[in-house]
Amino acid sequence: KQEVTQIPAALSVPEGENLVLNCSFTDSAIYNLQWFRQDPGKGLTSLLLIQSSQREQTSGRLNASLDKSSGRSTLYIAASQPGDSATYLCAVYGTDKLIFGTGTRLQVFP
Amino acid sequence: DARVTQTPRHKVTEMGQEVTMRCQPILGHNTVFWYRQTMMQGLELLAYFRNRAPLDDSGMPKDRFSAEMPDATLATLKIQPSEPRDSAVYFCASGYRGTDTQYFGPGTRLTVL
Repeated sequence: KQEVTQIPAALSVPEGENLVLNCSFTDSAIYNLQWFRQDPGKGLTSLLLIQSSQREQTSGRLNASLDKSSGRSTLYIAASQPGDSATYLCAVYGTDKLIFGTGTRLQVFP
Repeated sequence: DARVTQTPRHKVTEMGQEVTMRCQPILGHNTVFWYRQTMMQGLELLAYFRNRAPLDDSGMPKDRFSAEMPDATLATLKIQPSEPRDSAVYFCASGYRGTDTQYFGPGTRLTVL
């Protein structure tokens, strides 16, 4: 059974810092891995999708990497801003469904 | 700006009552998912449809939950009878295929007293 773990569970940093959020999964037989953002009381917004054949994806200040063999992904946020404050979830697509991690709650203070 | 819509946004009901949640997927998307989010369990897949046919509902308590897609523009999730442990936020998501990016609705926050 696929299990997805995210570390840390919560993170509080000053504005401007570069951040790394970690995601690990137990079964490397995945089609892709996605990173989502969830704001309080809102739905999820897809940030990046990495196919199993890819090593990384970039969008603006976000960069996500995937090491399928070791079961790890990282989300790198450059020059963090207060607007980045949210919960970040990773999810792996394996046998016909997305399995979500429990998320990292990020707070960026001015 | 295409979005997944869900109604109602909030629902408070008493134990034993029927609850119906509705979802309108993004036009053209052929895959629809229902998820439940709680503090304890996180996000869990309840059921999903492709081209309106149910493909997997193994995440749903079969005795009280049912999910349908009467047409391509409407998906419903029903709970009958509802119980306090059903209190959660229920999300609908849609996409072109299961492996593609999923677009989430704003959720229905259900409270069962």
